[in-house]
Amino acid sequence: LAKTTQPISMDSYEGQEVNITCSHNNIATNDYITWYQQFPSQGPRFIIQGYKTKVTNEVASLFIPADRKSSTLSLPRVSLSDTAVYYCLVGSSGAGSYQLTFGKGTKLSVIP
Amino acid sequence: NAGVTQTPKFQVLKTGQSMTLQCAQDMNHNSMYWYRQDPGMGLRLIYYSASEGTTDKGEVPNGYNVSRLNKREFSLRLESAAPSQTSVYFCASSGRGGGEDQYFGPGTRLLVL
Repeated sequence: LAKTTQPISMDSYEGQEVNITCSHNNIATNDYITWYQQFPSQGPRFIIQGYKTKVTNEVASLFIPADRKSSTLSLPRVSLSDTAVYYCLVGSSGAGSYQLTFGKGTKLSVIP
Repeated sequence: NAGVTQTPKFQVLKTGQSMTLQCAQDMNHNSMYWYRQDPGMGLRLIYYSASEGTTDKGEVPNGYNVSRLNKREFSLRLESAAPSQTSVYFCASSGRGGGEDQYFGPGTRLLVL
């Protein structure tokens, strides 16, 4: 299983761009990288997914270098409502067998 | 469209008691999952079901059993609860599997005394 490592916590002021990096040194060829957001007392919610290079959607960007040993979630101009825990997930499927490893999460606190 | 639902929301058990956590999804997803979440540990996969009729162990399956009752429902059973199983349990589903985006339920908070 790919092991993932994230910073435990980060602080940011409102309006700033926030970058959260996840390290996954032994990522497998078939693995995708997915990021989730979790608010207290709720289940995680999908943010973005990628395999390599850069992916962008309406809420975030995901940067994955060529060696794929890390990934960076970028949140543009954060607001107070972005205060949450962010998890990276490295996983793949093949012939019905799933390998899924969540990081321990990064608690983002957005300061007014 | 309720997404993923879980029952109960909260449960207190005594050591040695048994219980079943229920999960249902209405998105016609093939794959379903059970995770546990402990403070500082993130989410750990207990069991998953890649498709109706199949189940497989995840990272921490000991002390648990699962049943994929049909395409919609995936239950998690604790046969003899232990204090180490005190946790928040999340059920999830996805259209495909593995690394695909998953939809999570609201969770079941379990306390084993």
